[in-house]
Formats: sequence, structure tokens, C-alpha cells
Amino acid sequence: GAGVSQSPSNKVTEKGKDVELRCDPISGHTALYWYRQSLGQGLEFLIYFQGNSAPDKSGLPSDRFSAERTGGSVSTLTIQRTQQEDSAVYLCASSSRAQSPFFGPGTRLTVL
Amino acid sequence: GENVEQHPSTLSVQEGDSAVIKCTYSDSASNYFPWYKQELGKGPQLIIDIRSNVGEKKDQRIAVTLNKTAKHFSLHITETQPEDSAVYFCAASDGDGEKLTFGTGTRLTIIP
Repeated sequence: GAGVSQSPSNKVTEKGKDVELRCDPISGHTALYWYRQSLGQGLEFLIYFQGNSAPDKSGLPSDRFSAERTGGSVSTLTIQRTQQEDSAVYLCASSSRAQSPFFGPGTRLTVL
Repeated sequence: GENVEQHPSTLSVQEGDSAVIKCTYSDSASNYFPWYKQELGKGPQLIIDIRSNVGEKKDQRIAVTLNKTAKHFSLHITETQPEDSAVYFCAASDGDGEKLTFGTGTRLTIIP
């Protein structure tokens, strides 16, 4: 596709359940980012993948959060044992070298 | 790590007037400063960026200025139009878009 796509667009889950959020980056982009945006807040960095390098996981808020990027393309963000404070919009972005990230539309996660 | 502060949090201007949004950053190693526009229900979109080797950049009605000594940069929108209404985020990084640190956003409303 022409841009970054994310699925699902909306996810409602119960506290304690696990969720998986998917990101399809722009073809050929070597870098992939996950950010979290809480209601009315800025964008909080979560994790960054660049090519075959080890990911920068410094923004993950707890060990319940993890992310993978398979084959240098699609990425999945997994949140285990979800809590109400995990409710937010999760944004994925991708970029080439020396380029600003292009963002997807986000996944709105609601934990009841 | 980098800390970016953004002001004001909300801004209302009459259509046709100018709008100015200001950001400060803390890390003197930061050398790349993009601005993103986020419309309701969408991911942020890059509208303009500036690197630390220049002091000003302009693109039609939008301009960005950078003062490295004071560690602040500003977004200027002239001849505002209703479609400029959105949330604007500033960001900073010490690489080409890698691991951007975002400000908390400014909700701009253009009054017809």
C-alpha cells in the first residue's frame, strides 16, 4: 500500500487479557517505530527497529509489553495481562534513512 | 534524555490571522526538528522540518525558526484557514528522525 497500515483500528478488551497490534510499514522502509498516545497527551516512544540491528526497547513501560518485527517488515506489538492504564492509541511509523517517520492511523485500545 | 516542552496547549485565532507555536528542547546534541499535524482520527503527518545548520525554513504559509543558542524553535502559520485546525506537535532528535521526542501538542482552532 501507499502508507503505513495498522490493524485493528479499534480494539476493546477486558482487563487481564493479552492483545496483539499489527503494523505494516511502507515497503522498503528499514526503520519502524511504535509510539503510544494517551488521551489529550503527546506521543510516548515505545520501541524502535532499524534494519537488522537490535531494537531500542528503552521506551517500553513494563515487561508486559513486547514487540517483534519479522523479516524486516511487519511488526506486532503485544501487551500481556492488559491494564486499564494501557488504554491509548498505539501509533506505528516507518522511515528510510535520513527521513522523518511516516505514521499510520493508529490502533485505539480500550481496556475495560 | 531529551525533553521537549511545547506552548501553548490550545490556541484560537481568527481566520486570516497568524498562529505561532513555540517549543524548547533540553539536549544540545539534538539537530533535527520536525513538526507534525494531527487531524482527528488520523496519525500525525509531517508538515515541515528544520536541521540545526539553518535558522529558518519556509514552505508557503508555514515557516519554522530555530535558535540553537536558546534551544528553542517555533512554527509560524500565516493567513490561517479553517483546514489548519488540528493538533500540532513539535519534536526533536539527534539523528535523522530516529527516536523522536515529541512535545505535548497544541490544539489550534481557526475561527471562521
